[in-house]
Amino acid sequence: GNSVTQMEGPVTLSEEAFLTINCTYTATGYPSLFWYVQYPGEGLQLLLKATKADDKGSNKGFEATYRKETTSFHLEKGSVQVSDSAVYFCALSKGSQAGTALIFGKGTTLSVSS
Amino acid sequence: DAGVTQSPTHLIKTRGQQVTLRCSPKSGHDTVSWYQQALGQGPQFIFQYYEEEERQRGNFPDRFSGHQFPNYSSELNVNALLLGDSALYLCASSFVLAGGRGSTDTQYFGPGTRLTVL
Repeated sequence: GNSVTQMEGPVTLSEEAFLTINCTYTATGYPSLFWYVQYPGEGLQLLLKATKADDKGSNKGFEATYRKETTSFHLEKGSVQVSDSAVYFCALSKGSQAGTALIFGKGTTLSVSS
Repeated sequence: DAGVTQSPTHLIKTRGQQVTLRCSPKSGHDTVSWYQQALGQGPQFIFQYYEEEERQRGNFPDRFSGHQFPNYSSELNVNALLLGDSALYLCASSFVLAGGRGSTDTQYFGPGTRLTVL
């Protein structure tokens, strides 16, 4: 079946450090891939997406590239800020004509200190 | 442009009771999905509604039911509450592409309703 695996957290970094959060997936067909971010006490915000192999999604300095050969969609940022502290979820879409469900990983907590 | 809204923000119930949660989708969206997020976990898909019908369902028991209204808003009902139903319930909206090409896969989430079952 379809599934998403994220690296275990928490990830603790100093401000301006480089960030990588690993995400791999198992899916039939060609799903779209997403990163969502959840700040404390809030719902999920879409961070970026990619819909086909070799696509790169980017937003607010974050990037992720859809790698079909390695079934991966790792999230990266060159220089993190304290305000990036949150929980990050990798997800894939399981779509059909009937509808689309998102399948999420367990989330990775990022903590950035100044 | 209002985003996805949910009510109430928090809710406390006791075992065996019933609960109704409400969601209004983002303007221009006609499809509503519901997710359950247990503490420390990723969201789990419950079901999706379009044209007032349940279109897709995740692995949840029949105690979980829903409804969509003509204005595209939606309700999630949970009967016979269990302690394990305590979670953040998230609503997400999207829209169906013209020409019967299915729904878009980008979903926008509301802030959630925190349900505590005692």
